[in-house]
Amino acid sequence: GQQLNQSPQSMFIQEGEDVSMNCTSSSIFNTWLWYKQEPGEGPVLLIALYKAGELTSNGRLTAQFGITRKDSFLNISASIPSDVGIYFCAGRNTDKLIFGTGTRLQVFP
Amino acid sequence: DAGVIQSPRHEVTEMGQEVTLRCKPISGHNSLFWYRQTMMRGLELLIYFNNNVPIDDSGMPEDRFSAKMPNASFSTLKIQPSEPRDSAVYFCASSYRTQGLREKLFFGSGTQLSVL
Repeated sequence: GQQLNQSPQSMFIQEGEDVSMNCTSSSIFNTWLWYKQEPGEGPVLLIALYKAGELTSNGRLTAQFGITRKDSFLNISASIPSDVGIYFCAGRNTDKLIFGTGTRLQVFP
Repeated sequence: DAGVIQSPRHEVTEMGQEVTLRCKPISGHNSLFWYRQTMMRGLELLIYFNNNVPIDDSGMPEDRFSAKMPNASFSTLKIQPSEPRDSAVYFCASSYRTQGLREKLFFGSGTQLSVL
């Protein structure tokens, strides 16, 4: 099925560093959602974006809905070991949510 | 407040056997989704229901797969007969869908299916 392109595929960073990841599509979306998945669990919703240009924060996480409506960005500031997991973006333009390929984050103490 | 509940958490079965996965959505939600997650293909939407009615099953891989939602609080995904390539994590998710697009999808913990 259709998927969004996420980059980078994986990141290995040191505790305290900031993290940036993005999601791009050839299609326009009206909604962007960011999820985090930990081993053995389902994706957990982190941030929801509904308007082009919208910038929303959730603690150390900040996400932006790109102006072109074809991309979205997620930043994590001052990473900590519990940030480890796979981060997925998801975009919606009709009635279906399309998921990105995921960014695997490893944080070393 | 209970989230989306899936059972079983793990299922190991032999090729050719029937497999039934179960899901209880969040109370009050009117949409339910079944996803499959694999390393190769990521998260794929199989089918979704709105007000217990199947709306789009274009993601169901084959006739071996079927899904039902007899009421607002229960759904099943059945694979009959199962094959090794069906091995994956199957997620159920639910949302409250209204007019407009401000919808948030909540996932269960998934069922890890292994078909030997």
